[in-house]
Amino acid sequence: KAGVTQTPRYLIKTRGQQVTLSCSPISGHRSVSWYQQTPGQGLQFLFEYFSETQRNKGNFPGRFSGRQFSNSRSEMNVSTLELGDSALYLCASSLERTGEQYFGPGTRLTVT
Amino acid sequence: AQSVTQLGSHVSVSEGALVLLRCNYSSSVPPYLFWYVQYPNQGLQLLLKYTTGATLVKGINGFEAEFKKSETSFHLTKPSAHMSDAAEYFCAVSALLTGGGNKLTFGTGTQLKVEL
Repeated sequence: KAGVTQTPRYLIKTRGQQVTLSCSPISGHRSVSWYQQTPGQGLQFLFEYFSETQRNKGNFPGRFSGRQFSNSRSEMNVSTLELGDSALYLCASSLERTGEQYFGPGTRLTVT
Repeated sequence: AQSVTQLGSHVSVSEGALVLLRCNYSSSVPPYLFWYVQYPNQGLQLLLKYTTGATLVKGINGFEAEFKKSETSFHLTKPSAHMSDAAEYFCAVSALLTGGGNKLTFGTGTQLKVEL
């Protein structure tokens, strides 16, 4: 099976812009979660989608949003970018019952 | 609420020596526990998991971990380190949520250095 894929791998944006990141889960996985990884804060949970619905949400401002499509692919959007949004954004997919999550390679976002 | 503490942000071992990375967890419900490894500029790779059953869990690349409820620990070990083991290791705890789904809570990570 193909693993979790994320596009793009690298992105450079300017403060105030918005960005959309994409994630394709492992075939058959209906749950998609997003995490932000920074040197200062470590790995933090953003949100989780299941069957096109946001089921769980982390402690991030409303500038961070996401959605899931009927084929389980997911996108996350960050509006009005700030320098502090520079991070590695990781997407993970999982089967419903096992709890284990499989991660993609991440999208490295740099905000200048 | 769940939390994870990884003792030692940096661990250095000689090639061929025992690797021991420490993880303690806090969870109000029976936990699912995981170890992930991250190589530079890559995502997280699942090494092993504990859900229920046998408390000694074997994973990939010769790693194993033992779930000790009384000590709330889930330490990662490997008998003989290899240069290719140099990476950052994350312990994580997950609990199924009442609304469905689960969220991973990660430790701060341990950078493993393997020296000749």
